[in-house]
Amino acid sequence: EAQVTQNPRYLITVTGKKLTVTCSQNMNHEYMSWYRQDPGLGLRQIYYSMNVEVTDKGDVPEGYKVSRKEKRNFPLILESPSPNQTSLYFCASSSPRGRGTETQYFGPGTRLLVL
Amino acid sequence: DQQVKQNSPSLSVQEGRISILNCDYTNSMFDYFLWYKKYPAEGPTFLISISSIKDKNEDGRFTVFLNKSAKHLSLHIVPSQPGDSAVYFCAASIYSSASKIIFGSGTRLSIRP
Repeated sequence: EAQVTQNPRYLITVTGKKLTVTCSQNMNHEYMSWYRQDPGLGLRQIYYSMNVEVTDKGDVPEGYKVSRKEKRNFPLILESPSPNQTSLYFCASSSPRGRGTETQYFGPGTRLLVL
Repeated sequence: DQQVKQNSPSLSVQEGRISILNCDYTNSMFDYFLWYKKYPAEGPTFLISISSIKDKNEDGRFTVFLNKSAKHLSLHIVPSQPGDSAVYFCAASIYSSASKIIFGSGTRLSIRP
């Protein structure tokens, strides 16, 4: 089954304690992205990757890091989480089809609470 | 500054009637527009898209209309069904930056019996 998986699904942590949210896709997609969803703000892109070892900042990259060492994995790293990073996070993957990213598949989301 | 705006946070429509969800954008460089649907506790799923070279795209009960001069697009659902109750996100992208998508804040659609 084609899917994007994220782990953990729920996480409660404290300010300053480094954490990693994993994302993995089994569709051999080149593109992967991370988004955060906040009330009234919709989905905002944090980072994206167009292929292995190629990453770029989205709209809200501050406080986050990513890496893309393998095509299937795109972990999101919070080196020193702060309460304003409490949010619902989505990973997505897609394959370029000439234009547009309508084939974008989203993971189920990771709900993070930073105390 | 929100480049993609969905000014109606919620919409309630009777089952069987037409649902119309609206979206405005400010960046004239956007040339590809998408609608996503999201149920609680799930990730968004792609619904329908439209390129700026078109003004209408249909897929079953879903039709998206694009008015480039007004920088406005709308999603029509006819007839509305209970399973359509969800949050709908409008999104836009630029061809040269196909992996970078800007989302609106979403509209919660409720279909009442």
